Order: sequence, then C-alpha cells, then structure tokens
Amino acid sequence: EPEVTQTPSHQVTQMGQEVILRCVPISNHLYFYWYRQILGQKVEFLVSFYNNEISEKSEIFDDQFSVERPDGSNFTLKIRSTKLEDSAMYFCASSSGTMRGAVYEQYFGPGTRLTVT
Amino acid sequence: DAKTTQPPSMDCAEGRAANLPCNHSTISGNEYVYWYRQIHSQGPQYIIHGLKNNETNEMASLIITEDRKSSTLILPHATLRDTAVYYCIVRVHTGSARQLTFGSGTQLTVLP
Repeated sequence: EPEVTQTPSHQVTQMGQEVILRCVPISNHLYFYWYRQILGQKVEFLVSFYNNEISEKSEIFDDQFSVERPDGSNFTLKIRSTKLEDSAMYFCASSSGTMRGAVYEQYFGPGTRLTVT
Repeated sequence: DAKTTQPPSMDCAEGRAANLPCNHSTISGNEYVYWYRQIHSQGPQYIIHGLKNNETNEMASLIITEDRKSSTLILPHATLRDTAVYYCIVRVHTGSARQLTFGSGTQLTVLP
C-alpha cells in the first residue's frame, strides 16, 4: 500500500540554524500539506500546496517557513532560523486530485521530530 | 467549518464494539463528517467519512443522525491496537487543498 514517507525521523538542531524537513508524498497525489504537533498539544495546520503554489497557510507559517517541491517526488519544509518553540513533531500529508465521493482524504506520514536546543 | 464536541476519553473492552460519539450541531448542508485517529505520536490516520448516509469500510462504520447534528464512529471488534486518539472533523469539500482542523479528540483505551 502506498504511503507518505518523511526524513529524517528525528532532527536535533541549535537555535538559529536552518533545517529542511523532507517528505515523499504518495506518487499520484496532487495536494500536499504540512502540519505540526507540539508535545501534548493539538495537531496544527501549517500550509497546503497545489500546482507549485501555496494554497492556504496558517498564522504559524510566517516568513521563517517555506515549502518547495524541488522535483517530481519530494516536498520540503524549510525553517530558516529555528527557535526553541519550533520544537515539535512535523507531519507531511498528501491527498489525491481525483474526486471520489467529492472527498479528498489526507494521508499522513510518520512525522519528523524536531528538537531545537 | 462547523465545531465538533467529543468526550475527552472512553474505555472499551477488547473484542467489544467501541462507539465514539461526536456532536456537530452547527453542521451545514455541504459539510462532510471525517474521522481520523492518531496512535501515540504517529501521523493521523484517515478512517472514514460521510455526508448523510451511514458508511462502512474495512476499518469502521459511521452512523450519522437524520438531522446530521451528531454521528457515531463504530469499531465493531476493538483490539488493543485501536487504542488511540480519535478525531471527528467537519469540513466543507471545496476541491482545493483545504486544511483539516484537529480538536482534542477522544482518547480511546481498549482494555484487555
């Protein structure tokens, strides 16, 4: 069964450093997402991406964040200058562009645990 | 998107049916009910969705009341691996990359 994969599984970085989190969405999917979950808190939406553009973004997704689909398979989230409060689990998700009951269910990856020290 | 209300926690005996309720009294006509679950810090997992008819798949059944103001997710024979946080999410389908808004969900604990 196809699945979303994410690398690395755990990233430790120092405050102020840049990090890039990588995701490989399901191959025929067209919509891509990043969410994060701070320990013990809710899953929060960051950004969605379609047709090489950001479709929606939340207030969390400020100028320190960027997303890119550098090739036909990877989808990346970059944090330019990490802060302590960026420590969280980051989940990538993807969904199909074909209509099936007019619903686009999202499939999530296993997450990257980012620890900023 | 309409707000949902779920109990914070529930227990269920292994092998029994788990019935997880969700209230969405302000749901509008074009909003779907989705259920996802999250097993201990893993990525959320899609379970099932519905608009107004009851739905069943290999994982679960979804019962939506006639007025659509509430729904129940049924896991017919719960196992220990079904212990997870279950999220009920109501969302319009727009054809674009719409976000999912996760609440606090219901922590289901399946007991041996």
